[in-house]
Parts: sequence; C-alpha cells; structure tokens
Amino acid sequence: QKEVEQNSGPLSVPEGAIASLNCTYSDRGSQSFFWYRQYSGKSPELIMFIYSNGDKEDGRFTAQLNKASQYVSLLIRDSQPSDSATYLCAVRTGGFKTIFGAGTRLFVKA
Amino acid sequence: GAVVSQHPSRVICKSGTSVKIECRSLDFQATTMFWYRQFPKQSLMLMATSNEGSKATYEQGVEKDKFLINHASLTLSTLTVTSAHPEDSSFYICSATRDPRTEAFFGQGTRLTVV
Repeated sequence: QKEVEQNSGPLSVPEGAIASLNCTYSDRGSQSFFWYRQYSGKSPELIMFIYSNGDKEDGRFTAQLNKASQYVSLLIRDSQPSDSATYLCAVRTGGFKTIFGAGTRLFVKA
Repeated sequence: GAVVSQHPSRVICKSGTSVKIECRSLDFQATTMFWYRQFPKQSLMLMATSNEGSKATYEQGVEKDKFLINHASLTLSTLTVTSAHPEDSSFYICSATRDPRTEAFFGQGTRLTVV
C-alpha cells in the first residue's frame, strides 16, 4: 500500500462547478496535511494545510480532514480554467517527513 | 507565504561532472529543508531531509555519496550531484520550513540535464 494515495485522474469539471479531490494516507501518526498545486514544469505551490479534524475554508478552497478514516480532501468551488493543474496531497508523518501522493490532474473546461 | 529561492533553474552538464544546486530561504530561518526529485509525469520523491548543522537523513535507495547535501546555515542548503550520469537528469526541488510540524515552501526547482 502506498503511503499517500490519490486518484490520478484526469478529473474534468465545467467552469463554475465544484471540483472534489480526495486523498488517503496510511500512517496513523501523521500530523499535518497539505494540498499543493503544480503547473506543468513548475514547482508546487501551497494552497492550504490542515491539522485538525473537520473543515478549513480559505476563499474558494475547503480542506476536509478525517483522521479516523485517514482521509483528506480538497473542494474547489466556482472552478476556473486557471485552476487546471495537478493537485498534490502531502502528508507530514510522525517522523516529520513529507510524503507526496502521485497527484490528481484537474481540467476545468471553459 | 515565505520565499524560497533555488538556483540555478536550469543546468546542462557533461556526464561525469558535478553540479551544485542551492536552496535559500530569503525571509525566514529554515530549520529543516527537504530535497525532492521529480521525473516527468511522476510525483515528488523525497530524497533527503536536512536539518541545519547536522547530517542529512537520506531516504532508502538514495546514494548519500552521490547526492551530497549540506545545510550549513539556517538559510542555505546545497545539493551536489557528483559524477552525474544521464539517468540523473530530472527536476530537483527543495522545500524549506521554519518548523517541521508546519507548512513547507518550495523553491522554483532545477531542471538538470546530463549529456
């Protein structure tokens, strides 16, 4: 089992819709969870992070964490074509290593 | 967000030579820096974790004698790819954090091509 799993996609949504990205992790001792966006040929940029169970909202983005289910998700409301990118889920394990999922490619159709 | 600068952004070198990549935190003190490698259409693979003033911790399968990491100050870490070979061609990315429990910020990445 991979340490951090994501659906590789591509996930295609129309402009203005909600995009839902999911991630599961295996290390129950993981403490911090991050979502990054990566455009082709560029390095990742941090979208948001979450430490506690529940929802965390920042603008059009909402991160959701369920430690009991070892599940973290990212919702993007009012999706825009500029949101088209690969979204990486990252988990900071109990040993302070940050492990990345393979990423989910999102396409937002105009 | 904090600023992390990585240099060079792109380098081409001959097989057998060494290449040094620098990662600097410009507006904060980075107690921990991470080095990743990313092959096309693949995710980031953690190579090593570097703490200021101590030896880097390498991931399984990463040759510490080939990928030399130095974290001499709270704002600078370097990765040296020694005796580079074409299979070392990849996108190398560093990230830095003030606190290993919190978010890390990425440098721009270095695209290494070994010919």
